[in-house]
Amino acid sequence: GAVVSQHPSWVICKSGTSVKIECRSLDFQATTMFWYRQFPKQSLMLMATSNEGSKATYEQGVEKDKFLINHASLTLSTLTVTSAHPEDSSFYICSAGTGTHEQYFGPGTRLTVT
Amino acid sequence: DQQVKQNSPSLSVQEGRISILNCDYTNSMFDYFLWYKKYPAEGPTFLISISSIKDKNEDGRFTVFLNKSAKHLSLHIVPSQPGDSAVYFCAASSGNNNDMRFGAGTRLTVKP
Repeated sequence: GAVVSQHPSWVICKSGTSVKIECRSLDFQATTMFWYRQFPKQSLMLMATSNEGSKATYEQGVEKDKFLINHASLTLSTLTVTSAHPEDSSFYICSAGTGTHEQYFGPGTRLTVT
Repeated sequence: DQQVKQNSPSLSVQEGRISILNCDYTNSMFDYFLWYKKYPAEGPTFLISISSIKDKNEDGRFTVFLNKSAKHLSLHIVPSQPGDSAVYFCAASSGNNNDMRFGAGTRLTVKP
């Protein structure tokens, strides 16, 4: 149980285009979903927290107009990287929380912007 | 600011020996600590956790120790196995899971 999927697992896009990443909790309802970003050899950095039906809460320094988060249901959250640039290239990971301390992570999405 | 720190970027141990991964934190509001294991190009998987009301939690080969006064926790793996080779992240949260912060990770290599 507690499986979280992400789609796509990797994506290459051209600079200036937008990319949408989906995060789904497959066998449970997630009260909260989180989006992280990981640069090579660095920690997981929390980007934003979203609760179903409400606006996401962004961490300091994360541009909410660039990283659009939609949490349409208790099993789906999406992250859209708008007008992507090469510096947005990273590994994006989502996680889902059920109200306890533990989070269940997706497999991640590798974004490469050329 | 780095509220959770893992000062050793890498650790190499021999199969069968003990692996000790360390983690320090600065925020005294953290009351729950977790260890995650991560393979390349995959999401982290939960390993073990500990509440601040405890100083030790054991699960099979994995034991987490918490020293609140020193704001330090450690993960012990014994005996270490080659399949344990991965990056281990320490994480801390306060009150609810909306405030989880991760350390930079320690890459563990267990040599056969």
